Amino acid sequence: GEDVEQSLFLSVREGDSSVINCTYTDSSSTYLYWYKQEPGAGLQLLTYIFSNMDMKQDQRLTVLLNKKDKHLSLRIADTQTGDSAIYFCAESPLNQAGTALIFGKGTTLSVSS
Amino acid sequence: GAVVSQHPSWVICKSGTSVKIECRSLDFQATTMFWYRQFPKKSLMLMATSNEGSKATYEQGVEKDKFLINHASLTLSTLTVTSAHPEDSSFYICSARWGETQYFGPGTRLLVL
Repeated sequence: GEDVEQSLFLSVREGDSSVINCTYTDSSSTYLYWYKQEPGAGLQLLTYIFSNMDMKQDQRLTVLLNKKDKHLSLRIADTQTGDSAIYFCAESPLNQAGTALIFGKGTTLSVSS
Repeated sequence: GAVVSQHPSWVICKSGTSVKIECRSLDFQATTMFWYRQFPKKSLMLMATSNEGSKATYEQGVEKDKFLINHASLTLSTLTVTSAHPEDSSFYICSARWGETQYFGPGTRLLVL
């Protein structure tokens, strides 16, 4: 069945790079997403990648996609304390408009100064 | 980007009362919206898919008579928690699909006493 897996916690020091990893199962997913959730807030779309791409960079964020291994990663360069949050990986099965995204359980990123 | 709002942002109610939560797409039309529930430090659990002009599609284990969903227009979906009980206390988040991405509301925190 459809499943998205993430490690639960990541702790880094301010200024270091953070890499959050995710694996998914549905090879038909055409888009993969990263969302950020700060305490008590909704989900903020950070970035997404189309499945025919290997990499996408947006300022401090770099998304890498290995479609063969169904592995997605989010790299945050020069991590700041404001990056502390829960990061969710999500896939869009069949990319149908009426289909909800499948989310991982979220990775809690803790940034220490 | 697209904006989704929710109202209220938080609500406290007595056990046995009903609570209505509104989800609005502010600058786009959404034929499909989604309702999620999030428990503390847990991932999002999809409750139902709200379809404009038709009945909602509920996920397995979600009581449709308890969680009433109405998608009366292309910009508004409502979730009514009927006869709320303390175990219904949770963070409820809606989302709407626009293009290839899904945008989330800020969430509604419900506390049932």
